[in-house]
Amino acid sequence: KAGVTQTPRYLIKTRGQQVTLSCSPISGHRSVSWYQQTPGQGLQFLFEYFSETQRNKGNFPGRFSGRQFSNSRSEMNVSTLELGDSALYLCASRFWGTDTQYFGPGTRLTVL
Amino acid sequence: DQQVKQNSPSLSVQEGRISILNCDYTNSMFDYFLWYKKYPAEGPTFLISISSIKDKNEDGRFTVFLNKSAKHLSLHIVPSQPGDSAVYFCAATYNNNDMRFGAGTRLTVKP
Repeated sequence: KAGVTQTPRYLIKTRGQQVTLSCSPISGHRSVSWYQQTPGQGLQFLFEYFSETQRNKGNFPGRFSGRQFSNSRSEMNVSTLELGDSALYLCASRFWGTDTQYFGPGTRLTVL
Repeated sequence: DQQVKQNSPSLSVQEGRISILNCDYTNSMFDYFLWYKKYPAEGPTFLISISSIKDKNEDGRFTVFLNKSAKHLSLHIVPSQPGDSAVYFCAATYNNNDMRFGAGTRLTVKP
């Protein structure tokens, strides 16, 4: 069974630009969550989608948005990039109603 | 707010000895706890979990202990191996809510 995949793996952008990251969950998993990891901060929860609806949301500004498609694939968008948005963005999937999430390899975003 | 805390950013142990990684939480609603291991340039990998109805869960060399009254959990690795060197995150959740993670502890196992 294929794991969670994320594209692209690496991305370099400049301040003010926007970026879209993609995540394909494990087959059968309909819940997709997004996290931001920065050094010393652990994993900060961004949002979770299930059945194309945002179910949970973390404390991030509105520049961070996401969506989920009918095939459970999810995208995350960050607009008006700031230097502080440089981080590893991780996507995780799970069966809704279970607690164990499985992570993808992440997208390393660098904002210059 | 940091509802899950790992107060030790790093831990170094000798191969063959026990590694004990600690985690504290503040939200008494949490009823499911997990440990993830992360190597550089990879996503976190699920290691072991425990439900709040238990106080111990064992899987091979890995054992997680939960002390609900102290809001504390720990991960024991016995015996530690060099391949266990990684960053370990504890996480907690309840009732389909978002999962909260600690800041991680970097474990180094020296040969």
